[in-house]
Amino acid sequence: AQSVTQLDSHVSVSEGTPVLLRCNYSSSYSPSLFWYVQHPNKGLQLLLKYTSAATLVKGINGFEAEFKKSETSFHLTKPSAHMSDAAEYFCVVTNNNNDMRFGAGTRLTVKP
Amino acid sequence: DGGITQSPKYLFRKEGQNVTLSCEQNLNHDAMYWYRQDPGQGLRLIYYSQIVNDFQKGDIAEGYSVSREKKESFPLTVTSAQKNPTAFYLCASRADRALLNEQFFGPGTRLTVL
Repeated sequence: AQSVTQLDSHVSVSEGTPVLLRCNYSSSYSPSLFWYVQHPNKGLQLLLKYTSAATLVKGINGFEAEFKKSETSFHLTKPSAHMSDAAEYFCVVTNNNNDMRFGAGTRLTVKP
Repeated sequence: DGGITQSPKYLFRKEGQNVTLSCEQNLNHDAMYWYRQDPGQGLRLIYYSQIVNDFQKGDIAEGYSVSREKKESFPLTVTSAQKNPTAFYLCASRADRALLNEQFFGPGTRLTVL
């Protein structure tokens, strides 16, 4: 069985300050982990993925995430938030191509 | 321009009617998926298909049906048996059955039952 918990349903930051979106996972096997972003009324876009290579993963738009097996975490970070980063972010875990488990999402608000 | 298209973007249905949501991809992907998204929740898997003429139920298949007659097309029918069909529906595809590749998503269809 596998599952993912996004620890914050809403995060608010000021433009230019760091972003931290937290994700913890549970998996019986070595998982693959993804972060997706969704803008209002749009589909999901892949930000980055971890598939058992380097534990620090760099993605698009300046985002990165670190896989920490001991903490079962895969937190998403960005050094400096932009207004365009305001969106919903989903953490996803899978060890089976057809069984992807989505977190409930974290809504990121960026204040000017 | 490769990608996944879903139509229509917005759909309204009266109670008791069946409705079909379209999903087409020109990425030459083997696998295709349908998800339902409700406010404040993550995506839940309705159906998936790994190959033409084959599909499997996901976590919430009741009240839905699919077909996979062509590699590029995976339509979803929301039947009158679905008790709470108002939601945002997302279609996705993935390149290879053997590898843990990411899924690519369409823009979604918002279904509202009147």
